[in-house]
Amino acid sequence: NAGVTQTPKFQVLKTGQSMTLQCAQDMNHEYMSWYRQDPGMGLRLIHYSVGAGITDQGEVPNGYNVSRSTTEDFPLRLLSAAPSQTSVYFCASSRRTGVSTDTQYFGPGTRLTVL
Amino acid sequence: AQTVTQSQPEMSVQEAETVTLSCTYDTSESDYYLFWYKQPPSRQMILVIRQEAYKQQNATENRFSVNFQKAAKSFSLKISDSQLGDAAMYFCAYRIRTQGGSEKLVFGKGMKLTVNP
Repeated sequence: NAGVTQTPKFQVLKTGQSMTLQCAQDMNHEYMSWYRQDPGMGLRLIHYSVGAGITDQGEVPNGYNVSRSTTEDFPLRLLSAAPSQTSVYFCASSRRTGVSTDTQYFGPGTRLTVL
Repeated sequence: AQTVTQSQPEMSVQEAETVTLSCTYDTSESDYYLFWYKQPPSRQMILVIRQEAYKQQNATENRFSVNFQKAAKSFSLKISDSQLGDAAMYFCAYRIRTQGGSEKLVFGKGMKLTVNP
């Protein structure tokens, strides 16, 4: 049981490049989400998904796309990277319990630098 | 607005002593969950403890316990017998329900704990 895995661990991009941050979980969790962590800001929600085929925007969605074709995977796409997207990105997952969710478990994070 | 406030950006404690980390939050909901997460230098976010608002009893996990004051909207974390491995950033978080019907965590800005040998 690997939990929540993220790849890559580190990435450097040039402004305007695109890339996909990968996230996978093997706990059969319905709920998955992406956060970004900036210095002095705590973690902020980018996008989330309550199950395969269902995604929605969080607090800071601009510049990011997501899709959820399977329960296990929830990739985050940067369409045209900007320096403001330099951050540490965390993926998290949790079980749904009725209309609520259980505790969220986090991946190890991806440190992204946009030059 | 839903907010979580950690007023102390840094604290230090001597090994084997006790330290308390403070957290306050703002919500109009009656049913919610509160969490403390630890983030060591590895950057991994690790759940320390969780408290359901409907439970009057304070949560405890080994050396970690909380003091949950619902009326005051306060949720402090007490670490007993501090160990060097407790050194990390600590984040208080509150889980809210979004307009879309799902839920998200709202985090405080974190507090850096140093443990001195």
